[in-house]
Amino acid sequence: GAVVSQHPSRVICKSGTSVKIECRSLDFQATTMFWYRQFPKQSLMLMATSNEGSKATYEQGVEKDKFLINHASLTLSTLTVTSAHPEDSSFYICSATGLGAGANVLTFGAGSRLTVL
Amino acid sequence: RKEVEQDPGPFNVPEGATVAFNCTYSNSASQSFFWYRQDCRKEPKLLMSVYSSGNEDGRFTAQLNRASQYISLLIRDSKLSDSATYLCVVNNGGSQGNLIFGKGTKLSVKP
Repeated sequence: GAVVSQHPSRVICKSGTSVKIECRSLDFQATTMFWYRQFPKQSLMLMATSNEGSKATYEQGVEKDKFLINHASLTLSTLTVTSAHPEDSSFYICSATGLGAGANVLTFGAGSRLTVL
Repeated sequence: RKEVEQDPGPFNVPEGATVAFNCTYSNSASQSFFWYRQDCRKEPKLLMSVYSSGNEDGRFTAQLNRASQYISLLIRDSKLSDSATYLCVVNNGGSQGNLIFGKGTKLSVKP
């Protein structure tokens, strides 16, 4: 079945630094990738939708200059949290859908837990 | 009113019990419905889709009432491994990833 790998699974950084999270589809071409954020005891919230080769579409209230999304290939999307602050500490999860094994199914990565000190 | 509402629980039940979760959604134009399972500090995983006619998968039964904008999940013969948070998820159309997640209902199955 479709597999999505997300890395790193856990990252701790200092306030003001930037953090990059990678999301890879291992056995299918991911034409569309999604990035979510989940605060403790809260719902998973869609941050942005990313189509390969296009600019990401951000949900209302999500700063595109702070959360940089790149989807330059059919197997990789990255989320960069720029100038991270403690309030950005959260669980970030990607999902992907696309061609082949990934068609008509939404596959989630295992998530990345970000802690900003 | 929140888009997808669930009783947060926790539901603490003994092994073998039957437990039911309810969910309501606010958008009458919602097109597809799902139950996901999320273990602590893990990604959500699709448990089952919910069809208008109701559907069953082993010990799990899902029901949809479009008129009342209500979804349910019934788990029979609970196992310890069923302990998790169950997320009610709605797709309002558009892209497949445009899912609206409920906060989840926590289930704890005790021996």
